[in-house]
Amino acid sequence: GIQVEQSPPDLILQEGANSTLRCNFSDSVNNLQWFHQNPWGQLINLFYIPSGTKQNGRLSATTVATERYSLLYISSSQTTDSGVYFCAGQTTGGFKTIFGAGTRLFVKA
Amino acid sequence: KAGVTQTPRYLIKTRGQQVTLSCSPISGHRSVSWYQQTPGQGLQFLFEYFSETQRNKGNFPGRFSGRQFSNSRSEMNVSTLELGDSALYLCASSLRAHIGNEKLFFGSGTQLSVL
Repeated sequence: GIQVEQSPPDLILQEGANSTLRCNFSDSVNNLQWFHQNPWGQLINLFYIPSGTKQNGRLSATTVATERYSLLYISSSQTTDSGVYFCAGQTTGGFKTIFGAGTRLFVKA
Repeated sequence: KAGVTQTPRYLIKTRGQQVTLSCSPISGHRSVSWYQQTPGQGLQFLFEYFSETQRNKGNFPGRFSGRQFSNSRSEMNVSTLELGDSALYLCASSLRAHIGNEKLFFGSGTQLSVL
């Protein structure tokens, strides 16, 4: 079926630490995106990354479409990185977006 | 450029009432999609519109409906509200000019509470 799975579900980091979040997606999903939801509910698009690698400051993402997974790297984490990270994909030809369950990140000062 | 605007920000209704939520996309974006977010079910796709046409619909009862206007603004309506409809409703817009432009931009959401 159509699936987007994220791991780990929860993550606690000390400020300054690095982390890797993973997203596995099924064959009928493409056009991977990563989002950060802040404590006020706002979803911010971090990366639109159907394949390849992109970097934006301390964040980078890699999608290996042939192996159906994507990784989000957070380096030198800060307390403001706390929140929930979602990956989402779109169904092939279906104009429907499927979200993973999210990774809840807490960065301690 | 202004972002995606959703109104109202908060809404309190009682069971059996109906509600209409509004979403104005980023200027030039022609696709609007809607999502329901609850602690138990996460983020679930409701429907997607492009040029006033609904192109896909999620697994929700017929009480949930939507429409898109010629200026790309969209509304969603929930009739006969149930307690379980309490959720954060999010709308997103994207260019969707062609298959490559699928990046989604979200509004701040409407927090609906059904009492």
